[in-house]
Amino acid sequence: GESVGLHLPTLSVQEGDNSIINCAYSNSASDYFIWYKQESGKGPQFIIDIRSNMDKRQGQRVTVLLNKTVKHLSLQIAATQPGDSAVYFCAENGGYSTLTFGKGTMLLVSP
Amino acid sequence: KAGVTQTPRYLIKTRGQQVTLSCSPISGHRSVSWYQQTPGQGLQFLFEYFSETQRNKGNFPGRFSGRQFSNSRSEMNVSTLELGDSALYLCASSLRDGGDTQYFGPGTRLTVL
Repeated sequence: GESVGLHLPTLSVQEGDNSIINCAYSNSASDYFIWYKQESGKGPQFIIDIRSNMDKRQGQRVTVLLNKTVKHLSLQIAATQPGDSAVYFCAENGGYSTLTFGKGTMLLVSP
Repeated sequence: KAGVTQTPRYLIKTRGQQVTLSCSPISGHRSVSWYQQTPGQGLQFLFEYFSETQRNKGNFPGRFSGRQFSNSRSEMNVSTLELGDSALYLCASSLRDGGDTQYFGPGTRLTVL
């Protein structure tokens, strides 16, 4: 089946830096992508989503970029804070609420 | 609005037993999906229900089953438990279907001894 993968397993940054987490997807027919944040002992928390008719979407301190040409997705976190430390997953929606997740990137933020 | 709730939060069973996990979606949400999360396989889709009907199923053996009630609450059942079934089982709800954001519950941590 189709899969979504991440380039980096761990990303370490300093507090205040900007963080970029990348994701490659393989299903060119996917039209909806989501980023989730998962803290230890908790379920994934919705961060931001983007549909295939867009190439950029901004939220509070977060921006998602979609490059359909190379099937690449990225999450940018501005002014990263220690509370941003978590595992970040990208996911693509395969219809009927079926999410295919990447393996996740752990973001470590040092004070 | 209350979020997705899952019960129990933790469960310990032995091989061969069966287990039932429960999920209450966000009020007004009619779609409920289940996922299994393990360190080795990551997050994997189990099945999805909408209006008491299973619309999609992931690649899991028949020992994994589920159902949805008229109030959108859902249960999943795992029979004849194996050690490899130890995982975090996550439930997510959305308004209707794939175009809607899925919101996850805290999960049920199942340990099979």
